Amino acid sequence: NAGVTQTPKFQVLKTGQSMTLQCAQDMNHEYMSWYRQDPGMGLRLIHYSVGAGITDQGEVPNGYNVSRSTTEDFPLRLLSAAPSQTSVYFCASSSQRGAKLQETQYFGPGTRLLVL
Amino acid sequence: GESVGLHLPTLSVQEGDNSIINCAYSNSASDYFIWYKQESGKGPQFIIDIRSNMDKRQGQRVTVLLNKTVKHLSLQIAATQPGDSAVYFCAESNDYKLSFGAGTTVTVRA
Repeated sequence: NAGVTQTPKFQVLKTGQSMTLQCAQDMNHEYMSWYRQDPGMGLRLIHYSVGAGITDQGEVPNGYNVSRSTTEDFPLRLLSAAPSQTSVYFCASSSQRGAKLQETQYFGPGTRLLVL
Repeated sequence: GESVGLHLPTLSVQEGDNSIINCAYSNSASDYFIWYKQESGKGPQFIIDIRSNMDKRQGQRVTVLLNKTVKHLSLQIAATQPGDSAVYFCAESNDYKLSFGAGTTVTVRA
């Protein structure tokens, strides 16, 4: 198993440009999520999904869109990039225990994004 | 603000000594807690977890303690090794959302 994979590893954008960060997992996990990590801070939840066709907002969703058309993939879209979105983005996946997140999340290697 | 936080941003420990990393959480409804290790340039890596119906759980060289009365979580690392140098995060789960603390940077002295 490859686990959780993310592409690209690095990206530089100009303000106003759009892009999609890709995330895929091959563990048949129902739960997938996106976080951003800023210097000296912990991870903050952007969006999450509990299964194909179901997404919901996390702590910092503004400026980001997601969709979940398959179990394996959970792309994160920036429609109009802003310098405040300069960060490291991590995707994670997990199995679920009933109606709650009660199993560990496995993280991808991250995408480093710089918005000029 | 953040619902989970670590008491100290940095910890320096002598190789071979035991390390204790502390974390306070504020959401009494949280029922699942995880410790992660993050090395430079990598994603967080699972270390150990504990559910709210337990107060202690042991892994290989690591122990997590949960005190729900004072909403405190700690990670103990036995016989700390140079490879343990990293940033350590605690996280709490409430339904489907995971909240992270700011992290403690552990440096192991030879």
